[in-house]
Amino acid sequence: NAGVIQTPRHKVTGKGQEATLWCEPISGHSAVFWYRQTIVQGLEFLTYFRNQAPIDDSGMPKERFSAQMPNQSHSTLKIQSTQPQDSAVYLCASSPGLGGRLEQYFGPGTRLTVL
Amino acid sequence: AQSVTQPDARVTVSEGASLQLRCKYSYFGTPYLFWYVQYPRQGLQLLLKYYPGDPVVQGVNGFEAEFSKSNSSFHLRKASVHWSDWAVYFCAVFLTGNTGKLIFGLGTTLQVQP
Repeated sequence: NAGVIQTPRHKVTGKGQEATLWCEPISGHSAVFWYRQTIVQGLEFLTYFRNQAPIDDSGMPKERFSAQMPNQSHSTLKIQSTQPQDSAVYLCASSPGLGGRLEQYFGPGTRLTVL
Repeated sequence: AQSVTQPDARVTVSEGASLQLRCKYSYFGTPYLFWYVQYPRQGLQLLLKYYPGDPVVQGVNGFEAEFSKSNSSFHLRKASVHWSDWAVYFCAVFLTGNTGKLIFGLGTTLQVQP
């Protein structure tokens, strides 16, 4: 099992540019989560899909952030008009979501740096 | 509001010594609790999980944790620390219902002295 795959591992953008982050969940997992990690704020929940449907996006900054899950094998997080405060490690996680198994398995993260 | 507190930002222990990392949670309902470990430039790895039942749960690499409802705690323990345990440890509570998200503490950095 390859685990959760995230690409790219590192991304550098200029202020105002767009960034798209990719996540491939563990095969057979029905839930996908996105989190953001910074030194100051720690780990923050962004959004959650179950069986590809958006369930909870309460952590997403509304104006520039969007997430999609077009099929069961990948999810994307898009940040438009990136700002320096968007610099963080973005973590994707997947969960079996079935049979009472609630644990989340994390990918290695994408480190986004906005200059 | 639901929250997780890890009161120690950094803990230093000698190799071979025992370890306890503290975690306090605030949650209305039956908590599902987790400990994760993060090595430099890596994602989070699941160490162990608590689902309601036996209060002491075993994890990987000799780690265990004990749930206490009366103390609202879920402390992580290890009998003998190895240098490779040097990492950041996160405690998290799972929010049941339709959200499914984890609420994390700020983490505790474990430093191991030779």
